[in-house]
Amino acid sequence: QSALTQPASVSGSPGQSITISCTGTSSDIGTYVYVSWYQQHPGKAPKLMIYDVSDRPSGISNRFSGSKSGNTASLTISGLQAEDEADYYCSSYTTSSTLVLFGGGTRLTVL
Amino acid sequence: QLQLQESGPGLVKPSETLSLMCIVSGGSISSSSYYWGWIRQPPGKGMEWIGSIFNSGSTYYTPSLKSRVTMFVDTSKNEFSLRLTSVTAADTAVYYCARHKRWGGYYFSWFDPWGQGTLVTVSS
Repeated sequence: QSALTQPASVSGSPGQSITISCTGTSSDIGTYVYVSWYQQHPGKAPKLMIYDVSDRPSGISNRFSGSKSGNTASLTISGLQAEDEADYYCSSYTTSSTLVLFGGGTRLTVL
Repeated sequence: QLQLQESGPGLVKPSETLSLMCIVSGGSISSSSYYWGWIRQPPGKGMEWIGSIFNSGSTYYTPSLKSRVTMFVDTSKNEFSLRLTSVTAADTAVYYCARHKRWGGYYFSWFDPWGQGTLVTVSS
């Protein structure tokens, strides 16, 4: 079981918005802003989409946004497009000896 | 544009040592505020951080692999490497290298960019 909990799958239709949750504890997401999100298409390397909870790297569409409430971080994708279909992973700093946690990943299906 | 590229054997026998290298191009591995990390992903599964190294040689390893992992950095060649000893089938995975942001010399943050990844299979 992964240290950060994500839903295994989410789906949405083109043009809709979806939100992927990532639940941790007060040792990681609940206390720190060092939460990042990655998009991974099949057979490809992960790509940074959101960092430090809600910041977008240069070149990432503003359709992608991040937020945090309590021990749960969220990735929202608005105006879903077919190309958004991929696996999404969250990651966070943790005060535990592990230092870096990943979620188990969420498969997004665009219907 | 910073790019990372992993290289190494795709097949390793059980009980032997896995050795991978990551070549950094388009930027200096000596940049401050950045560590250089290894992450692995078993086929069909999620990601696991293995560890990260600074240009000074300072390292952090995930506890579950710490007894078997060593990382090295060669600033003159702009590359860093990973050694994992006593491998088993459970170490079969795609191994990625990535630049790893560290804030304030303490808090680890995001990974970007990532190398394309290299599949390492542990089998006799």
